[in-house]
Amino acid sequence: DGGITQSPKYLFRKEGQNVTLSCEQNLNHDAMYWYRQDPGQGLRLIYYSQIVNDFQKGDIAEGYSVSREKKESFPLTVTSAQKNPTAFYLCASSINSGRANTEAFFGQGTRLTVV
Amino acid sequence: DAKTTQPPSMDCAEGRAANLPCNHSTISGNEYVYWYRQIHSQGPQYIIHGLKNNETNEMASLIITEDRKSSTLILPHATLRDTAVYYCIVRVAAAGNKLTFGGGTRVLVKP
Repeated sequence: DGGITQSPKYLFRKEGQNVTLSCEQNLNHDAMYWYRQDPGQGLRLIYYSQIVNDFQKGDIAEGYSVSREKKESFPLTVTSAQKNPTAFYLCASSINSGRANTEAFFGQGTRLTVV
Repeated sequence: DAKTTQPPSMDCAEGRAANLPCNHSTISGNEYVYWYRQIHSQGPQYIIHGLKNNETNEMASLIITEDRKSSTLILPHATLRDTAVYYCIVRVAAAGNKLTFGGGTRVLVKP
C-alpha cells in the first residue's frame, strides 16, 4: 500500500543523546516536511524539503537536523542542543511543492520522550 | 500564509450537521483554504480544500464567502468518529507548500 511511514511509534532517550526519527514515503512525492506538536497545541514546522539534496529551515529548526539523500526518505535528528525535545513528531509529504492546490499526507507520528 | 481564526471548541449532536467556521480576513488571491482534522494521537488527515467556489466531497462540504474572508466546513451527518481537532489553513505555493497550523477547533460529537 502507498503511504508515509514513521518509525518507531514511541521512542525513549536519555537527556544529552542525539536521536534520529525515520520517515519513509512510497508516494513518489517531491516535498517532505517535519512538524512538532506539543500537548494541546497545533503543529509547528521544523524543516521541509522540496527536492532531493535540498532542505529549508522551518519556524523551529534550532536543535534539529535533517538530510534528504533519497526522494523516499527524510530522517530527522533531534540533537542534544534541543532544549525541550519531548514531543509528538509528525512527518508529511506532498506531490508537488510548486503548486498550492495539493494535499499533504501525514504519517502516524513518533512520540519522543527524553528522560 | 494568511492567519486563520477558529473557535477553540464546539459540541455537536450525533447525526446532526456540524458547521465549523473559520476567519481568514487577510487571505490573498492565490491562497487556497484547506481543512485537516486530527484524531487524538494520530497524524492529521486531509478533508477538503478550495479557492473560490464551494466544494463537496465524500467527507464534507466547504463554503467560502464571496469575499473569501471566511469559510465554513460542514460535516453533514456527524458521527462519534468525527470527534477530532479541525484545522483551517490557508496556503500559497510560494511558501513551499508549507502548512501553517493554528490552534484549530476541538469538536466533540455527543450521542
